[in-house]
Amino acid sequence: SQKIEQNSEALNIQEGKTATLTCNYTNYSPAYLQWYRQDPGRGPVFLLLIRENEKEKRKERLKVTFDTTLKQSLFHITASQPADSATYLCAPEPISGGYNKLIFGAGTRLAVHP
Amino acid sequence: GAVVSQHPSRVICKSGTSVKIECRSLDFQATTMFWYRQFPKQSLMLMATSNEGSKATYEQGVEKDKFLINHASLTLSTLTVTSAHPEDSSFYICSARAGLGANQPQHFGDGTRLSIL
Repeated sequence: SQKIEQNSEALNIQEGKTATLTCNYTNYSPAYLQWYRQDPGRGPVFLLLIRENEKEKRKERLKVTFDTTLKQSLFHITASQPADSATYLCAPEPISGGYNKLIFGAGTRLAVHP
Repeated sequence: GAVVSQHPSRVICKSGTSVKIECRSLDFQATTMFWYRQFPKQSLMLMATSNEGSKATYEQGVEKDKFLINHASLTLSTLTVTSAHPEDSSFYICSARAGLGANQPQHFGDGTRLSIL
């Protein structure tokens, strides 16, 4: 069955360092992969989408890589700030025609300490 | 940007009550909306896909008679938890996509915290 794995343990880093979060998937052939941020008690917020033919995508301090051979996406936050503390969710998405439903990983909680 | 509004944000009610949650896309039309449930420290679990003008598509294990979905217009979907019991207590979140196709992000509401006493 399709499976999405994200580090279940919280990632604690010092302010200013680069945070790297991992998303691994199995039994999937996603054409796209999306990353979201979720704060406690709130709905997720879209951050970045990367296509299978894109190795890397950047947006301000965020960078996402997509390795279809390793079946893995890495999500980086450079110069991290305490305000970046949240849970980050990945969602690989296959092409199935029409409106696709997104299935999310369990998320990794990031805590950035001053 | 695309905004999805969800109401109410919190509901506390007695066991046996039916609860209706509304999800509105404020500045775009959403032919399809999605309903998720999230238990503490767990992932978002997709419950159903709500299609405007037709029946919702439920995920395996989700009781369609328990969780009634109505998508009456291109900007409104409702989820009714019928005869709610304590085990239905959870965080319910809706989302919508502004466009057709797999490369569109989903825009989420801020969720409804449902507590059944």
